[in-house]
Amino acid sequence: AQTVTQSQPEMSVQEAETVTLSCTYDTSESDYYLFWYKQPPSRQMILVIRQEAYKQQNATENRFSVNFQKAAKSFSLKISDSQLGDAAMYFCAYRKGGSEKLVFGKGTKLTVNP
Amino acid sequence: SQTIHQWPATLVQPVGSPLSLECTVEGTSNPNLYWYRQAAGRGLQLLFYSVGIGQISSEVPQNLSASRPQDRQFILSSKKLLLSDSGFYLCAWSQGTNYEQYFGPGTRLTVT
Repeated sequence: AQTVTQSQPEMSVQEAETVTLSCTYDTSESDYYLFWYKQPPSRQMILVIRQEAYKQQNATENRFSVNFQKAAKSFSLKISDSQLGDAAMYFCAYRKGGSEKLVFGKGTKLTVNP
Repeated sequence: SQTIHQWPATLVQPVGSPLSLECTVEGTSNPNLYWYRQAAGRGLQLLFYSVGIGQISSEVPQNLSASRPQDRQFILSSKKLLLSDSGFYLCAWSQGTNYEQYFGPGTRLTVT
């Protein structure tokens, strides 16, 4: 079974600085998708970024970018110029191609200090 | 644009009582629909998904059930709640199997 591991239960960053959240996954599939979701205190899950396994280029969305290391099965999220509104739980998720099921890690709580 | 609604936002129910949580999506047709549960301090677990009216797939055996009576309506039910059913329930939708899933605001359920 596929598993997603987020080894950092909590992280903190100073406002305007850069922080990287780690995620590793275990799969024997070649066709899969990886996601980062943000869950602020309101608890609504918000999609941050998506990466297709077949794409070598790392995905980027404004201040958010990923470092996708397929051979190492690593998918880290970099947040640049951190803002107070970035404070949230961040979840890494995996989905096998053709599957409906998202497999989530346990999350990393990010605190942004002013 | 598409929006997803869930109600109620919070619910406190005694053990053994029935449950009905509702999710509706606006601005799209024939979406894939999903129910997830998030226990305290943990990630999300997929409970059910539906790729069409009347089509329900269960991921986790439990005392919960799901139904999709209309194209954009997804209902999570239980005949008798257990203490272990407490948690945060999130509904999500997607355009199709290999598309992103977008989540609703969630329902916090406390079983007492």
